[in-house]
Amino acid sequence: DAGVTQSPTHLIKTRGQQVTLRCSPKSGHDTVSWYQQALGQGPQFIFQYYEEEERQRGNFPDRFSGHQFPNYSSELNVNALLLGDSALYLCASSLRLASSYNEQFFGPGTRLTVL
Amino acid sequence: AQSVTQLDSQVPVFEEAPVELRCNYSSSVSVYLFWYVQYPNQGLQLLLKYLSGSTLVKGINGFEAEFNKSQTSFHLRKPSVHISDTAEYFCAVSPLYSSASKIIFGSGTRLSIRP
Repeated sequence: DAGVTQSPTHLIKTRGQQVTLRCSPKSGHDTVSWYQQALGQGPQFIFQYYEEEERQRGNFPDRFSGHQFPNYSSELNVNALLLGDSALYLCASSLRLASSYNEQFFGPGTRLTVL
Repeated sequence: AQSVTQLDSQVPVFEEAPVELRCNYSSSVSVYLFWYVQYPNQGLQLLLKYLSGSTLVKGINGFEAEFNKSQTSFHLRKPSVHISDTAEYFCAVSPLYSSASKIIFGSGTRLSIRP
């Protein structure tokens, strides 16, 4: 049973460019959350997708957008890249159940470097 | 809103010595509590979680944590550390009864084990 997978592993972009990161959830999961982890910091919640809609969003500008596909996989898009967008981007998947606690499983992340 | 404070950014300790990593949180609503571990160049792995019930929770790799509601703390302990415990540890919370279940992380504590 494959866990959460992310691609690519590493990415180098220049300021002003656009980037797309991809995430495949753990088998059986229907919800995907994205987090940004800057160097030396804890992860920060970007947004969460369920049923192909953005359900909740953290304090990130509109340059950050996402999408969820019918097979539950997800993309994170960042436009007009800034140096400060350099970070490890983590994807987490979960299964939305009636109970309030739905454990999130994290992928290995995509390391984005903006030059 | 919720916030998590990890009081020590780095904790050096000798192998086989005990260790405590401190965590305090602030929240206007009840929360679930977590400790995650991140090994170098990897994603996040759940060490343990407090959902309800006994305030002492045991996790993987011999770690345990105690929830103290009056002090809003959730400190992580291990009686005897091993070299393989060298990693970054993150304390985190998630609001109860939130269908979005976003996780709010602290800034992390780097545990370094000396032989």
